[in-house]
Amino acid sequence: DSGVTQTPKHLITATGQRVTLRCSPRSGDLSVYWYQQSLDQGLQFLIQYYNGEERAKGNILERFSAQQFPDLHSELNLSSLELGDSALYFCASSVAAGRGGSGANVLTFGAGSRLTVL
Amino acid sequence: QKEVEQDPGPLSVPEGAIVSLNCTYSNSAFQYFMWYRQYSRKGPELLMYTYSSGNKEDGRFTAQVDKSSKYISLFIRDSQPSDSATYLCAMSARNQGGKLIFGQGTELSVKP
Repeated sequence: DSGVTQTPKHLITATGQRVTLRCSPRSGDLSVYWYQQSLDQGLQFLIQYYNGEERAKGNILERFSAQQFPDLHSELNLSSLELGDSALYFCASSVAAGRGGSGANVLTFGAGSRLTVL
Repeated sequence: QKEVEQDPGPLSVPEGAIVSLNCTYSNSAFQYFMWYRQYSRKGPELLMYTYSSGNKEDGRFTAQVDKSSKYISLFIRDSQPSDSATYLCAMSARNQGGKLIFGQGTELSVKP
């Protein structure tokens, strides 16, 4: 157990629907990262939050959004789902320094949420 | 062109072989280099972490970084069937909040 908890583990839904993925970071970690892993694209960085604020953004679609709550858990919202959104979604956490921090940052990953869009 | 390139394999070796896994990158700002191991249906877990150029050894694993060539390697000695997994290289630059950019991952199978 990495200490990063993701729910649900598996999710099957239909095109056009909306889902929410949840992540609880490791105790003491302030940063949360979301990654998407598909067979053809590998692990793609989506977005990072540090202590409730958006810190960095990757190739996240406009249909996707995320937030980090005061208790530091994070949610990734995926809407208007398409077949191509089927993937593993990973959350990772770290004790990142935030703005101006160094790159010396080790990410601890959760077990992932497998999304299947039919 | 992707920032980090990694041959996805698959790579199949006999037990006891020396395995060499490699990544190239294009962003000269990368200073922190990591290798993650991912077993099937699990999240990636950190295997090795190296700062800048040089070598680092941990048991049967050795990580090498050559910043002049923008090339990193992971060597596994005396490979075991339990080493069968996907190996992902990852990199980050200073002052970018610590986000990691990953390679595609190389699928390794060690046959008994």
